[in-house]
Amino acid sequence: DQQVKQNSPSLSVQEGRISILNCDYTNSMFDYFLWYKKYPAEGPTFLISISSIKDKNEDGRFTVFLNKSAKHLSLHIVPSQPGDSAVYFCAADIGGGADGLTFGKGTHLIIQP
Amino acid sequence: DAGVIQSPRHEVTEMGQEVTLRCKPISGHNSLFWYRQTMMRGLELLIYFNNNVPIDDSGMPEDRFSAKMPNASFSTLKIQPSEPRDSAVYFCASSWTGKDGYTFGSGTRLTVV
Repeated sequence: DQQVKQNSPSLSVQEGRISILNCDYTNSMFDYFLWYKKYPAEGPTFLISISSIKDKNEDGRFTVFLNKSAKHLSLHIVPSQPGDSAVYFCAADIGGGADGLTFGKGTHLIIQP
Repeated sequence: DAGVIQSPRHEVTEMGQEVTLRCKPISGHNSLFWYRQTMMRGLELLIYFNNNVPIDDSGMPEDRFSAKMPNASFSTLKIQPSEPRDSAVYFCASSWTGKDGYTFGSGTRLTVV
């Protein structure tokens, strides 16, 4: 049973517009959430994270929103750039990530010129 | 630091053969994780180590899979005997606190024919 779900396998967005990637989770014990970005033939790289005590975290063009009551988080990229084309993984953990993150299946973001 | 180093990058083997995947974590990191990526299941945690000690191997799919970490700078994931359904990309990741992401290696693409 998937505890972290990314229901959109792919998403196409025009360059300069906002990209919104969504993630849902089922385990209410999760208290730490992360987004990773992955290019082909490379390992995932950390992008941004949020603790369950917050509802928003911002880093440059990237903002993650957390809605605990809905068990939902989203990643906003504004403005979208061609280099943002990649697979984005949502991940969650209990207690700080020391015991292994649970990942979603990923969303392939395509930025169209 | 060169990051997490995995070898080989690609491995093609025949069914029934033994396969050994290798990982060198980042120096100073005390946690090491083995993940497997498939289209169907996304990124799955197989096993993780803290201070070279295996903590949770519940993600290892079968007894054909085994992992070792003889010292802080080296880990192996072995599959014996290998089967076609083991074909996937295997990632190794390391971290210090677990927070703000793991550092992933570039992965080993395993094909069992």
